[in-house]
Amino acid sequence: GESVGLHLPTLSVQEGDNSIINCAYSNSASDYFIWYKQESGKGPQFIIDIRSNMDKRQGQRVTVLLNKTVKHLSLQIAATQPGDSAVYFCAENRANAGKSTFGDGTTLTVKP
Amino acid sequence: GAVVSQHPSRVICKSGTSVKIECRSLDFQATTMFWYRQFPKKSLMLMATSNEGSKATYEQGVEKDKFLINHASLTLSTLTVTSAHPEDSSFYICSARGSAGGRETQYFGPGTRLLVL
Repeated sequence: GESVGLHLPTLSVQEGDNSIINCAYSNSASDYFIWYKQESGKGPQFIIDIRSNMDKRQGQRVTVLLNKTVKHLSLQIAATQPGDSAVYFCAENRANAGKSTFGDGTTLTVKP
Repeated sequence: GAVVSQHPSRVICKSGTSVKIECRSLDFQATTMFWYRQFPKKSLMLMATSNEGSKATYEQGVEKDKFLINHASLTLSTLTVTSAHPEDSSFYICSARGSAGGRETQYFGPGTRLLVL
């Protein structure tokens, strides 16, 4: 079956440093990937997405990298801020399915 | 744009009662909505896909008679937890497919915390 997973359940970084959160997936048919941020007691918030025909996409302070060869994607957050502290999920989506399958999540803690 | 609301945000009920949770897309029409369940410190688990005007599609292992889903309009889907028991206590999150800025994606509601005593 398919699965989406993250390498590390927790990540602690110093304020101002860059953060890298990793995710591996198993379904080679996946063609759309999304990163979500979830703060305590709230629903997931869309951060950035990438389609399988791309290997990199940049947003504001965030970059997603996709390596289809090893089925790996990462989320890079530049100049991490205390407000970035949250649980980050990667999700896999296929255009014909419409629904997202979530990985386990990485808890990011930013130390002042 | 692309805001999804849920009501109530928090509910406490007695064992054996039924609880209805509403999910609304506030500024867009959603033919498809999704219901997820999340346990503490765990990921989101898809329960069912709700399609406007038709029956919901449930994921394997989810009891359709226990979790009733109704998608009566393009902006409203409801999840009813029937005869709730303490093991149904969880964080329930809905999402709706919509377009914003030319991109179609899922927009999530803020979640509903259910506690069954």
